[in-house]
Amino acid sequence: EAGVAQSPRYKIIEKRQSVAFWCNPISGHATLYWYQQILGQGPKLLIQFQNNGVVDDSQLPKDRFSAERLKGVDSTLKIQPAKLEDSAVYLCASSLVGFREQFFGPGTRLTVL
Amino acid sequence: DAKTTQPTSMDCAEGRAANLPCNHSTISGNEYVYWYRQIHSQGPQYIIHGLKNNETNEMASLIITEDRKSSTLILPHATLRDTAVYYCIVREYYGSSNTGKLIFGQGTTLQVKP
Repeated sequence: EAGVAQSPRYKIIEKRQSVAFWCNPISGHATLYWYQQILGQGPKLLIQFQNNGVVDDSQLPKDRFSAERLKGVDSTLKIQPAKLEDSAVYLCASSLVGFREQFFGPGTRLTVL
Repeated sequence: DAKTTQPTSMDCAEGRAANLPCNHSTISGNEYVYWYRQIHSQGPQYIIHGLKNNETNEMASLIITEDRKSSTLILPHATLRDTAVYYCIVREYYGSSNTGKLIFGQGTTLQVKP
């Protein structure tokens, strides 16, 4: 089966600019996650969707980050405006509802200059 | 914060078993032990999980101590492709108030050497 797709794979922007990432989960997976992974650290959950509703966004910096999952399938994560400390890999994952393994995409590497 | 403690790095000879320890002394009764790994420049990959019994699948074995305060992931015949960061995660069962999110720590960097 096709895995989790993410685009772009790499993005370089200057601070204060805006950026958006796209994720297409595995077909049939109702739960979608966005993680931020700073170099040398483990991934940190930013937001979790179930269908198109937000389950957990406690770690999302809402003053600059936003995410949506219209129609309960694809999702976009936006940063506006970006800061230097937002340089990281942004990972999208999906899973079946409930207590299931998460499948991760390849990630988008963001560099903020 | 992550509820697990792992060594920062380990080496293993190719073809030998790799035994990766994890301490989770504060684990509670409804929490599972999960293992994921992350090969360089890829997203994390699920390996195995367990509650209190030992588990085995095509990738690895998971040994959980009787008091559940620690566990060991065993890769029976490590290959160069097993070089990765291995994360041990304690995850609450989704049926409770927590949605069962994964909280990653720093993990163990396993280097398999020829």
